[in-house]
Amino acid sequence: AQSVSQHNHHVILSEAASLELGCNYSYGGTVNLFWYVQYPGQHLQLLLKYFSGDPLVKGIKGFEAEFIKSKFSFNLRKPSVQWSDTAEYFCAVNGSLNKFYFGSGTKLNVKP
Amino acid sequence: KAGVTQTPRYLIKTRGQQVTLSCSPISGHRSVSWYQQTPGQGLQFLFEYFSETQRNKGNFPGRFSGRQFSNSRSEMNVSTLELGDSALYLCASSRDSLETQYFGPGTRLLVL
Repeated sequence: AQSVSQHNHHVILSEAASLELGCNYSYGGTVNLFWYVQYPGQHLQLLLKYFSGDPLVKGIKGFEAEFIKSKFSFNLRKPSVQWSDTAEYFCAVNGSLNKFYFGSGTKLNVKP
Repeated sequence: KAGVTQTPRYLIKTRGQQVTLSCSPISGHRSVSWYQQTPGQGLQFLFEYFSETQRNKGNFPGRFSGRQFSNSRSEMNVSTLELGDSALYLCASSRDSLETQYFGPGTRLLVL
């Protein structure tokens, strides 16, 4: 069965620090990959997605993610975080059987 | 375009009761998926409906059921509620299963 692992459950950073959130998935076939973000009190919303092509994808608010097929990873990065990036981040994979599998989420707390 | 709407937003029930939650997808979206979100388990896939048919199902007991109407609106029903059913229930719509999912605000269910 497919699964998605987000190893960092809670990350605390100061403003301007660089961010990298890990996401690994277990599935050998073709996958679509997503990062969603949930700001406090708001809906889940799409940050970025990878379907095919350039493995480095850019999303909203300066976020980017790199798909490394050999490592089954899709890590999220941002060079310089802001206080407004405080949120919970979810990695998701869509592969076989058209099911979405979500990671358990990473709570990011950015100190001003 | 209007986003995904869910009603009601909050619900309090007691053990043994049943509950019906409603989801209206984005216009033109035919796929509706339901998720249960809890602090400990993250987002867990319940089921997906497409054109009034259940296409996928997660690992939840039969007390959890759903349906989709011809206008793509979907309902989720939970019978014989248990304390552990307290959670945020999220609905997501997409054009098709492999497309980006757009989430509603959720229905927060509290079972006493």
